[in-house]
Amino acid sequence: ETGVTQSPTHLIKTRGQQVTLRCSSQSGHNTVSWYQQALGQGPQFIFQYYREEENGRGNFPPRFSGLQFPNYSSELNVNALELDDSALYLCASSAMWRTGATGELFFGEGSRLTVL
Amino acid sequence: AQSVTQLGSHVSVSEGALVLLRCNYSSSVPPYLFWYVQYPNQGLQLLLKYTTGATLVKGINGFEAEFKKSETSFHLTKPSAHMSDAAEYFCAVSAHAGGTSYGKLTFGQGTILTVHP
Repeated sequence: ETGVTQSPTHLIKTRGQQVTLRCSSQSGHNTVSWYQQALGQGPQFIFQYYREEENGRGNFPPRFSGLQFPNYSSELNVNALELDDSALYLCASSAMWRTGATGELFFGEGSRLTVL
Repeated sequence: AQSVTQLGSHVSVSEGALVLLRCNYSSSVPPYLFWYVQYPNQGLQLLLKYTTGATLVKGINGFEAEFKKSETSFHLTKPSAHMSDAAEYFCAVSAHAGGTSYGKLTFGQGTILTVHP
């Protein structure tokens, strides 16, 4: 069983730039969620994708956007980067909307973004 | 709306001592509750979860937690700490309907567990 994989693992950008983070979901999972974890904080929900559509969004501005592809992999895009966007970005996959699904999320190792 | 409060951002215990990490939640609907562990520079790993049924749930690595609805708590315990338990622990809550979770977790701020020899 292949777990959740994320790329890149680390990257450095400057303010105003754009970034794309990628995630491959675990085999058999149909839903991908993205979380932002700032240093010393718990993960904050950004959004969730199911059937290639956004299915819920946290308190993040529109410059945070995403995609889900037919193979359930996903991208997180952040435009006009700000210093406060520096964080660990976690992708999690799950088998949602299936009988008995309990909401357990399987997390990747994360992509650590530094904005200078 | 849901929220999670973890009491104590840092907990320090001696090897072999009891581990107790506290978590209180707020939820307008019956919750699903989770504990995750995060080792440095890694993602989150599920320790255990409560959905329905037995309120005392057992997880991996000897951890367990008890769901107490009257106290809105889901504290994590381990009878005897091991050096390898040193990590950050997160309590999380999610809503569900008809037994199907919405899958959006609300996390607490985390508790860093230090284990001394």
